[in-house]
Amino acid sequence: EDQVTQSPEALRLQEGESSSLNCSYTVSGLRGLFWYRQDPGKGPEFLFTLYSAGEEKEKERLKATLTKKESFLHITAPKPEDSATYLCAVRGADSWGKLQFGAGTQVVVTP
Amino acid sequence: DTAVSQTPKYLVTQMGNDKSIKCEQNLGHDTMYWYKQDSKKFLKIMFSYNNKELIINETVPNRFSPKSPDKAHLNLHINSLELGDSAVYFCASSQGIQGANYGYTFGSGTRLTVV
Repeated sequence: EDQVTQSPEALRLQEGESSSLNCSYTVSGLRGLFWYRQDPGKGPEFLFTLYSAGEEKEKERLKATLTKKESFLHITAPKPEDSATYLCAVRGADSWGKLQFGAGTQVVVTP
Repeated sequence: DTAVSQTPKYLVTQMGNDKSIKCEQNLGHDTMYWYKQDSKKFLKIMFSYNNKELIINETVPNRFSPKSPDKAHLNLHINSLELGDSAVYFCASSQGIQGANYGYTFGSGTRLTVV
């Protein structure tokens, strides 16, 4: 069965203090690794899809990278508005669109 | 606004009751999903419909019954509610199964509390 483990569970950063979130995964035939952002009381919001090892994608202060076993979400010079829970998910072969999510990393950025 | 909308946003009910959650999307997507997010924040898929056809039916109690009257709507009916059903239920949509790779669009969730 596909598995996703995210670390750390929680991360407290000062504004401007860059850091990385980790997502380790096991999946049968990776069809995509996904990063979502979730704000309290809201549904997850799609950020990136990565398909193969070595791929990188960027959006503002966020950069996602992928290896064969894990993905990193780098937050560069974060701002308080980057505070959220970041969710990682994978889609495997024959998944019919199903995503297997990790438990998320809660990020708090203080001014 | 184009969106995935769920009703109600909050639902508090007693054990043993039957309740429904409704979901509608106006994005023109043809695939819709129900996910359950428990207290530990894990999002787990429950059901998925593609063009009104059930394509994913995870191991959930048969007290949960989804219904998709058309491509834009996916409802969830829960019979004989139990304390363990308390969670946030999210509806999501994508354009086709492959469209999941471009990201689901999630609704804002229905927080169900069973007392």
